[in-house]
Amino acid sequence: GAVVSQHPSRVICKSGTSVKIECRSLDFQATTMFWYRQFPKQSLMLMATSNEGSKATYEQGVEKDKFLINHASLTLSTLTVTSAHPEDSSFYICSARGTSGAGDEQFFGPGTRLTVL
Amino acid sequence: GESVGLHLPTLSVQEGDNSIINCAYSNSASDYFIWYKQESGKGPQFIIDIRSNMDKRQGQRVTVLLNKTVKHLSLQIAATQPGDSAVYFCAENRNNQGGKLIFGQGTELSVKP
Repeated sequence: GAVVSQHPSRVICKSGTSVKIECRSLDFQATTMFWYRQFPKQSLMLMATSNEGSKATYEQGVEKDKFLINHASLTLSTLTVTSAHPEDSSFYICSARGTSGAGDEQFFGPGTRLTVL
Repeated sequence: GESVGLHLPTLSVQEGDNSIINCAYSNSASDYFIWYKQESGKGPQFIIDIRSNMDKRQGQRVTVLLNKTVKHLSLQIAATQPGDSAVYFCAENRNNQGGKLIFGQGTELSVKP
């Protein structure tokens, strides 16, 4: 149980285009989903916290207009990288936390490798 | 952002030896800590967790120690195997900040056969 999927697993796009990444909780309902970014040889950096039905909370230094997050249902959150540039190339990872009573544990997706040319 | 390092510390051990990976955390209000294993190109995989009311927890071949006085965590892996080669991260759960996880720098474990 507690499986989180991401789609696509890797994407290559041209500079200036927008890319949407999906994060799904497959066998549980996730009231909260988190989006992380990870550069090579570095740690995971939290970008934003997404609660179902409300606006995402962004970490300091993360542009909300560039990284659009939508958490429209209890099983799906999307991250859209708008007008992507080569410096946005990174490994994007989502995690999901279950509904109340499910504890603090976050379940992580397999990640999406974004390469912007 | 927090806890972003410029490079990963590495630990190289011989197969069969015990490994100890250390981590310092920053927020004394954090009440829940987790160790993750990340293989190349994959998402983090849960290994073991510990709550702040404990100072030691054991799993299969792994033990986590928590020292709240100095804000330090360690992960001990017994009889390390080649399949344990990966990057290991500790994470602190900030319950007073909506339950977000803040990841440590990470340590790359390399196991020599």
